[in-house]
Amino acid sequence: SYVLTQPPSVSVAPGQTARITCGGNNIGSKRVNWYQQKPGQAPILVIYYDSDRPSGIPERVSGSNSGNTATLTISRVEAGDEADYFCQVWDSTSDLNWVFGGGTKLTVL
Amino acid sequence: QVQLQESGPGLVKPSQTLSLTCTVSGGSIYSGPYYWSWIRQPAGKGLEWIGRIYTSGSTKYNPSLKSRVTISVDTSKNQFSLKLSSVTAADTAVYYCARVGGDILTGPYYLDWWGQGTLVTVSS
Repeated sequence: SYVLTQPPSVSVAPGQTARITCGGNNIGSKRVNWYQQKPGQAPILVIYYDSDRPSGIPERVSGSNSGNTATLTISRVEAGDEADYFCQVWDSTSDLNWVFGGGTKLTVL
Repeated sequence: QVQLQESGPGLVKPSQTLSLTCTVSGGSIYSGPYYWSWIRQPAGKGLEWIGRIYTSGSTKYNPSLKSRVTISVDTSKNQFSLKLSSVTAADTAVYYCARVGGDILTGPYYLDWWGQGTLVTVSS
């Protein structure tokens, strides 16, 4: 089945830019979704279809996808951005259509 | 705004059946069209998709769980449910219900609304 690889952790100072990657074989040919999960809370969708933002998600959160890597970018990082972030694809070619990355812990220093 | 709420026992004995219900509010489960899904997350680990259902009753399950999972829908109550049989300690997790967004006919899909999750512990 399709595998998504994320770094376990990313650290960034407030006001800087955080980039969280999601690697997969030719992931650029798929649509990538990103979820934010704060401790003890349910995940929320922050990016869908590579770069679209649901209502209520700030413009400083963006996504891109090309080649073998998708990237979630959070500009002007705030303390409230500290959370786990998961990437996800829906793989029509696999028997297990829904694939999640292992998650990345974003720490705001 | 759609809201989802999981309910069910927090403790299940090994070899028994885990049963959870998700109640949808803020809109009809028929509105959309949408799929409705279950996902789980063991403590400190990642997310695992369990399965999904359409209001017609059409289902699809994670192949690794397929032999033990049943998802059903009760449109009169605006609910859908999960049953997982022959549970073991490995099934201990927070279980989430969620709405599936995206092109209903072809995908790809994403999970746009989630319940708060409910912890189910498998232990004697």
